[in-house]
Amino acid sequence: EVQLVQSGAEVKKPGESLKISCKGSGYSFTSYWIGWVRQMPGKGLEWMGIIYPGDSDTRYSPSFQGQVTISADKSISTAYLQWSSLKASDTAMYYCARRLRIAVAGTDSHWFDPWGQGTLVTVSS
Amino acid sequence: DIQMTQSPSSLSASVGDRVTITCRASQSISSYLNWYQQKPGKAPKLLIYAASSLQSGVPSRFSGSGSGTDFTLTISSLQPEDFATYYCQQSYSTLSMYTFGQGTKLEIK
Repeated sequence: EVQLVQSGAEVKKPGESLKISCKGSGYSFTSYWIGWVRQMPGKGLEWMGIIYPGDSDTRYSPSFQGQVTISADKSISTAYLQWSSLKASDTAMYYCARRLRIAVAGTDSHWFDPWGQGTLVTVSS
Repeated sequence: DIQMTQSPSSLSASVGDRVTITCRASQSISSYLNWYQQKPGKAPKLLIYAASSLQSGVPSRFSGSGSGTDFTLTISSLQPEDFATYYCQQSYSTLSMYTFGQGTKLEIK
């Protein structure tokens, strides 16, 4: 079974650092891009960025560039999302998801499946 | 940046109803459009990819259509388990921005 399992909920203070994880299993972890998505309380889904664990090629949404760091350790099939200095506005649920792709007849479609169960990050003084 | 706009933002319907949710892109995205379902406290679940392809295991009452800028998700006969929030996502501008719509909350009437 293909799975992404995320690390547990975190409660942090403003200014602290944090690294959350997303471990893949049941497939070749180095062959698929892994994306990260933020969902603030009661709000919609926001695209943050994506990494290719095979070579750590990483792309960020302009809204999140410089705010977070996405990384991966292919030796343990794990992707990471980290903050160097958390803010209260980082309070949210964070999801990872595997990107799938099909390229046929001039088209190149991408979608995300499966998703991790989510990691709730709470930042409060 | 490509903006995705869903309508309506919320919708009340009854079991057995036929429901349609619309997603509009700010520019043409060909058929690079996905639909997800999210239930409270759960991760999003893929329903439809490439505008009209049904994900394996998803009931056939779900269908997607459209290309260019206008897309629809249709549920042919609502079941109790379908009450959730639905999101569209474009995959035209690859890697850096897989933008989501703002979501449509489907509630029981």
